[in-house]
Amino acid sequence: DQQVKQNSPSLSVQEGRISILNCDYTNSMFDYFLWYKKYPAEGPTFLISISSIKDKNEDGRFTVFLNKSAKHLSLHIVPSQPGDSAVYFCAASRGSSNTGKLIFGQGTTLQVKP
Amino acid sequence: GAVVSQHPSWVICKSGTSVKIECRSLDFQATTMFWYRQFPKQSLMLMATSNEGSKATYEQGVEKDKFLINHASLTLSTLTVTSAHPEDSSFYICSASGFLVSSGGTDTQYFGPGTRLTVL
Repeated sequence: DQQVKQNSPSLSVQEGRISILNCDYTNSMFDYFLWYKKYPAEGPTFLISISSIKDKNEDGRFTVFLNKSAKHLSLHIVPSQPGDSAVYFCAASRGSSNTGKLIFGQGTTLQVKP
Repeated sequence: GAVVSQHPSWVICKSGTSVKIECRSLDFQATTMFWYRQFPKQSLMLMATSNEGSKATYEQGVEKDKFLINHASLTLSTLTVTSAHPEDSSFYICSASGFLVSSGGTDTQYFGPGTRLTVL
C-alpha cells in the first residue's frame, strides 16, 4: 500500500522556468510533509517542509504548497537551475517534525536543461 | 552542519555471508536512528527504527532475524545482513535524529550517504 505517491517519474524543464513536482498521500493522519533532493549513490538532502496546519511554506527558490482536502502537495522551484537536476522525494510523517518515521514517495527525476 | 556517516560505502560479498554496516552521527547525539533500503528506481523503504539501548522496531515484512540492528550508543547504530542472498542487494541508507544546536536548537533528522550492497 503506497501511502505517498509521486505519479510523475520524470520532469524536464528549461533553465529559468518553474519546476512543479507533485505528491499525493492517502493517510489523513500524516501531519508533516517534507521534500528531499537525492543524487545517485548518496543519501537524501532535506529541502523544505510543511506542517499540516499551513498551506504554504517558502524558502528562497523553493515553495511547498499543501492542499489537505485533496491530500496533495507540490514543490515549486523558481527559477530552475541546472544544479537542481536530481531525484526529488516527498515524504510524510505523523508528528510535528522530521525526526520520526518517514514514508517516502517513489521520487521524481528532475532534469533542468541549460 | 550535522554529518551522518556510513561505513562501508559499498560492499560486495558472496551469498551466505554476513555483512555489517555502520551508521555514525559525527557531531550530535542521535536518540533515534532509522534504516532504509532503496532498490533501483524505487522509493526509500523504512526497514526499522532503533533507539539507543533498546530493541529495534521493524516494519512489517522485514525479517528481524535477518537484519540485525544494534544501537549501542548515541552515535552508532549497526545493521547486519545475515546470510545475505542476491535479493538483498540494495542501497541501504541510515538516518539519525537528535538535538542539534547548529540547526537552531531543534530536533532534526539527517541521512547518511548510503551503502551499496551487492551479493554475488
